Amino acid sequence: LAKTTQPISMDSYEGQEVNITCSHNNIATNDYITWYQQFPSQGPRFIIQGYKTKVTNEVASLFIPADRKSSTLSLPRVSLSDTAVYYCLVVEGGADGLTFGKGTHLIIQP
Amino acid sequence: EAQVTQNPRYLITVTGKKLTVTCSQNMNHEYMSWYRQDPGLGLRQIYYSMNVEVTDKGDVPEGYKVSRKEKRNFPLILESPSPNQTSLYFCASRLAGSETQYFGPGTRLLVL
Repeated sequence: LAKTTQPISMDSYEGQEVNITCSHNNIATNDYITWYQQFPSQGPRFIIQGYKTKVTNEVASLFIPADRKSSTLSLPRVSLSDTAVYYCLVVEGGADGLTFGKGTHLIIQP
Repeated sequence: EAQVTQNPRYLITVTGKKLTVTCSQNMNHEYMSWYRQDPGLGLRQIYYSMNVEVTDKGDVPEGYKVSRKEKRNFPLILESPSPNQTSLYFCASRLAGSETQYFGPGTRLLVL
């Protein structure tokens, strides 16, 4: 299972773009990169998943370089409600469970 | 609305008193899992089920039981709860072939 490393915490302001980088040096060929968001006392919520290059949905973008040893979650124009813990996971295709690390605690200020 | 529901949301009990936390999903997902979340330890998988009548242990199964008699339900049973099972519990489900899991709202359990 590829280990992930991401910052413990980040601060930003409303309206800014926030980029959270995750490193996963030991990622395997059939692993996907997945990001979840968790608000206090709620279950994690899937945000985005990618294998390589760039993926964009209505919530975020995910940038993955060619070597796949890192990835960057980009949140455009954040608001106070984006304050949450963001988890980067490397998931083996078809895996039965998810291993969550400590995540990045993102705090958005007015 | 597609969702995973858990009951109860909060529970205080005493050591040794059997309890069941229910989990139900309305998305016809094959896979269901139970996790516990503790400060500093992240989410750890307790048990998972790949389909009806098929269950297997996760990373921390000791002290827990599960059953999967119907596709939509996956109850977590603590036969003799102990204080070290005080935690926040999440149920999750996903479609076979998808890596995206959908989590329930959580059950906060306190064992005295």
